[in-house]
Parts: sequence; C-alpha cells; structure tokens
Amino acid sequence: KQEVTQIPAALSVPEGENLVLNCSFTDSAIYNLQWFRQDPGKGLTSLLLIQSSQREQTSGRLNASLDKSSGRSTLYIAASQPGDSATYLCAVLSGTYKYIFGTGTRLKVLA
Amino acid sequence: SAVISQKPSRDICQRGTSLTIQCQVDSQVTMMFWYRQQPGQSLTLIATANQGSEATYESGFVIDKFPISRPNLTFSTLTVSNMSPEDSSIYLCSSGQGGETQYFGPGTRLLVL
Repeated sequence: KQEVTQIPAALSVPEGENLVLNCSFTDSAIYNLQWFRQDPGKGLTSLLLIQSSQREQTSGRLNASLDKSSGRSTLYIAASQPGDSATYLCAVLSGTYKYIFGTGTRLKVLA
Repeated sequence: SAVISQKPSRDICQRGTSLTIQCQVDSQVTMMFWYRQQPGQSLTLIATANQGSEATYESGFVIDKFPISRPNLTFSTLTVSNMSPEDSSIYLCSSGQGGETQYFGPGTRLLVL
C-alpha cells in the first residue's frame, strides 16, 4: 500500500531564504508525482508535475526533483516571499490511477 | 488547463439532512474525482466518477452515504447523506486522467451541527 510522507510538517522562514520541502513514498512504482499548493480554506493549485521518467521540473522560482528508486522528491523554493505562505502537498499516482496525497508542509514566510 | 467550479462554496447543515455538491468542468473530461479533506488532514479519495458507469468507491466510503452522479462529461454531483458532525470537511472535486495534471475545484466547506 502506497504511503506518502512529508517533512517537515511546518516551516517558518524569513523572507528571501531558499528552502527545501521533502516528500517520500513507500512504493517506487509510480506514474508521476505532483506538487500542489493549498491556501487556507481553498482548493488545490498544481505547481509541478514530474513524470516517472523525469528527474526534475522547474517553474519560475520552483524546482522539483524526483528520485524514484529511493522514493523521494524535493520541492526547492528560491528566494522565498510572504506570498509563498501556504500548505504544500505532494501526491503520487500509482497502481490504479489514483493519487495518494502526503500529509503536507505548512509554510510561513515572514516579511 | 481545466477550470472547475463547485457549488455551494460553503454550507452549514443540521445533522440528519443531506447536501448535494455540484462540480462543473469547463471542458469534457473522462474522469472526475471526489476527495474529502477533514480538518487538519490531507486529502482522501472518496470515489472516481466516470460518465456512463457507476462510481468506484474507495475503502471506507459507500454509495448509500455518498451517492454520486455523472450525467455527462462536464458535470458531477456528490451527495453527503444523513449527515453527522463527523462529515464536517472540505469536499473537493477534480478532473484528470492518467499522467495529466489533475485540476481541482475550489472546494465546498461543510459544517454539520
């Protein structure tokens, strides 16, 4: 059974710092992995999608890497801003084409 | 990309009643999904809704409690039946297929008293 874990559960950093969010999964047989952002009380916004054959994806200040064999993904946020404050979720697609979500990392960027 | 809307955005309901949540996608999609996010928790898949067939429910979720309709390729409804306070959650629908990006609606925030 696929399980997805995210570390840390919460993170508070001063504006301008570079930071790394971690996601680990127990079954390496995945189709893809996505990183999402969720603002309080809101739905989810997809940030980056990495296919199983890819090693990383970049969008603006965001870079996501995937090491399928070790069951790990990282989301790197460069030069963090207060507007980056949100909960970040990773989700893996495996098995029967359904996404399994991680527990999330609550990020707060202080001005 | 797909734009997904949900109605209602939030509601407060009395225990024992039912609420139907609507999900509209701006393009035709094969698969739609319904998720629940309980307070402080991550998302849990309730069921997958395909047009023209019965919804497929995940372990712990049953059709009598969460009946789903999928009348066409752009619309789906989820009903939360005979509600109790434990059903207080955010309910989200999404669309996507296989390796494509999965798009999420804004969610319906439900409080059951």
